[in-house]
Amino acid sequence: GAGVSQSPSNKVTEKGKDVELRCDPISGHTALYWYRQRLGQGLEFLIYFQGNSAPDKSGLPSDRFSAERTGESVSTLTIQRTQQEDSAVYLCASSQRQNSNQPQHFGDGTRLSIL
Amino acid sequence: GQNIDQPTEMTATEGAIVQINCTYQTSGFNGLFWYQQHAGEAPTFLSYNVLDGLEEKGRFSSFLSRSKGYSYLLLKELQMKDSASYLCAVRTSNDYKLSFGAGTTVTVRA
Repeated sequence: GAGVSQSPSNKVTEKGKDVELRCDPISGHTALYWYRQRLGQGLEFLIYFQGNSAPDKSGLPSDRFSAERTGESVSTLTIQRTQQEDSAVYLCASSQRQNSNQPQHFGDGTRLSIL
Repeated sequence: GQNIDQPTEMTATEGAIVQINCTYQTSGFNGLFWYQQHAGEAPTFLSYNVLDGLEEKGRFSSFLSRSKGYSYLLLKELQMKDSASYLCAVRTSNDYKLSFGAGTTVTVRA
């Protein structure tokens, strides 16, 4: 597609359930990022993928969070045993390459609500 | 950690000018980005500064002073559609992820 695509756009689930969020980056973009945006707060970096290199997981808040990426395409962010504090908008972004002036292009996000 | 500050809210009149300031204290600097985010939508890229000075793009301009750790986004000839949140983001040296400020919500009134 022309832009970064994320699904689902909204997800409501009960505390303790697992959720899986999907990101389809712009074709040809080798770098992919996940961010979390809590209400009224700035974007918080979660994880970064670049090509076939090992991902930078330094932003993941706990071991309940994990992410995978298949080659240079789709990525999934999984949250296990969800807690109410996980409620946020989860944004995915992609860019052509790292360490350049190429901007990150964002998807519309997945709004996650934990009951 | 990285510290990026911007005002929480600003209000201006249609047709006027608004300047959104951003100050940063980071472990290195390798570029500053401004994004616009309408409620419920994706942030969209507005501007990039890596050298000192002013970058102009139509009604929007962005300024950077690396020695002062300071940037501003200038919005001219404000339109109602400019009502949105404006995000300042810094990329630190040898780093590829962006550190974001909390965003400035701009409300344009008729």
